[in-house]
Amino acid sequence: DIQMTQSPSSLSASVGDRVTITCRASQGISNYLAWFQQKPGKAPKSLIYAASSLQTGVPSKFSGSGSGTDFTLTISSLQPEDFATYYCQQYNSYPLTFGGGTKVEIK
Amino acid sequence: EVQLVESGGGLVQPGGSLRLSCAASGFTFSDHYMDWVRQAPGKGLEWVGRTRNKANSYTTEYAASVKGRFTISRDDSQNSLYLQMNGLKTEDTAVYYCARVLQQGRIDYWGQGTLVTVSS
Repeated sequence: DIQMTQSPSSLSASVGDRVTITCRASQGISNYLAWFQQKPGKAPKSLIYAASSLQTGVPSKFSGSGSGTDFTLTISSLQPEDFATYYCQQYNSYPLTFGGGTKVEIK
Repeated sequence: EVQLVESGGGLVQPGGSLRLSCAASGFTFSDHYMDWVRQAPGKGLEWVGRTRNKANSYTTEYAASVKGRFTISRDDSQNSLYLQMNGLKTEDTAVYYCARVLQQGRIDYWGQGTLVTVSS
């Protein structure tokens, strides 16, 4: 199975900060990497697919990069509505696997 | 508008069975693969399994943790996805989400989830 390791597991940031979350795959997954945002008590929401493509309707402050084993999600200017938990997922091979999540909290 | 609505969750004893349903609307259900993903209380997301579409013979994939106990099926005439869960264990306690899969294999839409609690 492909292990997905996210870091950090949590971070505190201020409104307006630039935030970067990393996701590392235990083996190469090309660009079959997605990012999801989840707010408490809500279903996850798709943000990024194919490592760097923005899901329709997602604001351009979110961006993704990477290929192979190392990926990043960047939020260019953190807003109050962005405080949430973020998950990466590989869909290169079965079983599909998620990272452990990164909780973004208000400083 | 794409909508996915799960139902069928509840309290069940260890060793028991439960069948979850997911009603889909707003898109051509029969064209899509569909996933189940779960989330234990306070924990992260765990992929449960996938059903492919008719063009791909409705074949399925499962996580090792549920293989042999859970069965994913679908009824394209009813735009519905199902998760039959047998031999339930306390560690199966979670919110279960159904999700639409696009051709590239990625999830794009999620339902709101249904809570399954396995406890005596």
